[in-house]
Amino acid sequence: DGGITQSPKYLFRKEGQNVTLSCEQNLNHDAMYWYRQDPGQGLRLIYYSQIVNDFQKGDIAEGYSVSREKKESFPLTVTSAQKNPTAFYLCASSIAGRYEQYFGPGTRLTVT
Amino acid sequence: AQSVTQPDIHITVSEGASLELRCNYSYGATPYLFWYVQSPGQGLQLLLKYFSGDTLVQGIKGFEAEFKRSQSSFNLRKPSVHWSDAAEYFCAALMEYGNKLVFGAGTILRVKS
Repeated sequence: DGGITQSPKYLFRKEGQNVTLSCEQNLNHDAMYWYRQDPGQGLRLIYYSQIVNDFQKGDIAEGYSVSREKKESFPLTVTSAQKNPTAFYLCASSIAGRYEQYFGPGTRLTVT
Repeated sequence: AQSVTQPDIHITVSEGASLELRCNYSYGATPYLFWYVQSPGQGLQLLLKYFSGDTLVQGIKGFEAEFKRSQSSFNLRKPSVHWSDAAEYFCAALMEYGNKLVFGAGTILRVKS
């Protein structure tokens, strides 16, 4: 089955700790994305990567970091600098040159 | 600024009734347009897309959408709603090269029996 997996489904952390969210895809897509979703605000782009070893900041990159060492993987680290990290995080991918994005099931992060 | 507006936060329709969800975009040219659906606690599923050509596009689950350039709109429709259609619906637009989707705030659809 081809698709995007995100793990874990739920994640709990204490304030001040960094946490890394996993995103893996076996669709052979070149581009990958991270979004943050908060109630009533739609989705906001955190980071995206069009190709391995390259990535760009989205609209709300402050307090987050990413890496793209493999085509299949695009992990997101939520650092202690992120002021309000509790949210639902969605990973997506798309074929380079095409524009539909396909989404994973999401990770709900709660920081207390 | 480039933006996507979904004017209705919540919509309630009776099962079997028709449905129209509104979407407007603000951009100087015609963007690529999408509708996604999200069930609670889940990821987003692509319903349909418009790139060019026929302005009435068909999607999955019996949904369709019509692009109207003069109104900068891309409204989603379904002739007869089923209880399983209850979810949140997002309109999105790709307004510039780089695959950066801009999302509307979403419309929550409730279906009453």
